[in-house]
Amino acid sequence: GENVEQHPSTLSVQEGDSAVIKCTYSDSASNYFPWYKQELGKRPQLIIDIRSNVGEKKDQRIAVTLNKTAKHFSLHITETQPEDSAVYFCAASKGSNYQLIWGAGTKLIIKP
Amino acid sequence: DAGVIQSPRHEVTEMGQEVTLRCKPISGHDYLFWYRQTMMRGLELLIYFNNNVPIDDSGMPEDRFSAKMPNASFSTLKIQPSEPRDSAVYFCASTSWTSARNTQYFGPGTRLTVL
Repeated sequence: GENVEQHPSTLSVQEGDSAVIKCTYSDSASNYFPWYKQELGKRPQLIIDIRSNVGEKKDQRIAVTLNKTAKHFSLHITETQPEDSAVYFCAASKGSNYQLIWGAGTKLIIKP
Repeated sequence: DAGVIQSPRHEVTEMGQEVTLRCKPISGHDYLFWYRQTMMRGLELLIYFNNNVPIDDSGMPEDRFSAKMPNASFSTLKIQPSEPRDSAVYFCASTSWTSARNTQYFGPGTRLTVL
């Protein structure tokens, strides 16, 4: 079945620097790739997503890139701020199947 | 819209007791998902429903776990008997086939502690 691997498991960056989190997926039929952010003690919430007909998508300081050939997608956060500290999850799904296959999560730590 | 509603928010029980977790999805959403989150295992899908019908329950750990969705606005996850290893945060999420995205909206979660 589909598998999503996420790296790194923990990422520590200096405030103001950029952070990149990478995910790979196994099922070439996957066509939807969301990223969720989970702050400590809170619920996961969608922050950005991308479909397989698009290579890159930006929303202010965050962006997601997709390489269908290599079957990997990445989350980029620029000018990191303390409020970016959280666990980030990538996921993948395909077609009309609304089930998301989740990565293991990346704990992002922003150092002041 | 009030979003996905879960109750209780916290539950502390003793081993062997029955636990029932409740979820009200967003009105109009026809997919409902139950997840379990722990430090060790991350976010695990337990079961999901479409139009109140269970579609995939392969993530349900064992027969002690059961889930129902009697109508479009209510679902329960029951653990009987509960064990300490069931301690986790349980999330319910919902989405709609009419959504341009497969965005899943999560409830606040139920933190379960089994002593």
